[in-house]
Amino acid sequence: NAGVTQTPKFQVLKTGQSMTLQCAQDMNHNSMYWYRQDPGMGLRLIYYSASEGTTDKGEVPNGYNVSRLNKREFSLRLESAAPSQTSVYFCASSDVHQETQYFGPGTRLLVL
Amino acid sequence: GDSVTQMEGPVTLSEEAFLTINCTYTATGYPSLFWYVQYPGEGLQLLLKATKADDKGSNKGFEATYRKETTSFHLEKGSVQVSDSAVYFCALSAFGNQFYFGTGTSLTVIP
Repeated sequence: NAGVTQTPKFQVLKTGQSMTLQCAQDMNHNSMYWYRQDPGMGLRLIYYSASEGTTDKGEVPNGYNVSRLNKREFSLRLESAAPSQTSVYFCASSDVHQETQYFGPGTRLLVL
Repeated sequence: GDSVTQMEGPVTLSEEAFLTINCTYTATGYPSLFWYVQYPGEGLQLLLKATKADDKGSNKGFEATYRKETTSFHLEKGSVQVSDSAVYFCALSAFGNQFYFGTGTSLTVIP
């Protein structure tokens, strides 16, 4: 039982490049989330998916797209990376009652 | 909208000192309240939670009581250890699928 896994752990991009952050959970959770963590800002929600086949914008969705591939997997795509997207990205999932979130280890992204 | 405000850090304490990290919230409805902890280089982990007014969440010696009258959920521990050094996040979840996190409070415990 791995919980929530994220790949890659660390990535360096040049401005304008694209990439996809992968997330998977093995807890049979319906809801999945993508956050970014920046110093002094706490965690800010980018997108979430309440169930397979649905996605909704969070607080800071601009510059990102998501795909809920199936119940296990929720990917985050940066189509044209910008230095302002340098951050630590966390994926999380929650149970049917949305009472507790379980987080992955994070992806550290540096955009030059 | 819903939000969480927690005390600014960083906080530095000596081992065995008493810890309080303040957290207040604004929410419509009746939220559930959480404390998460983040150790260096890791993701957040649930530390404790409370789902209704006057509930007390507790875990690993940490406690927090859901106070509706003061809209607060302060985290306390009677005697901190070096291993408690981490960043602590207060959070709430109201109806819907969104969680709201505070900005985090960094705690360093020195021997």
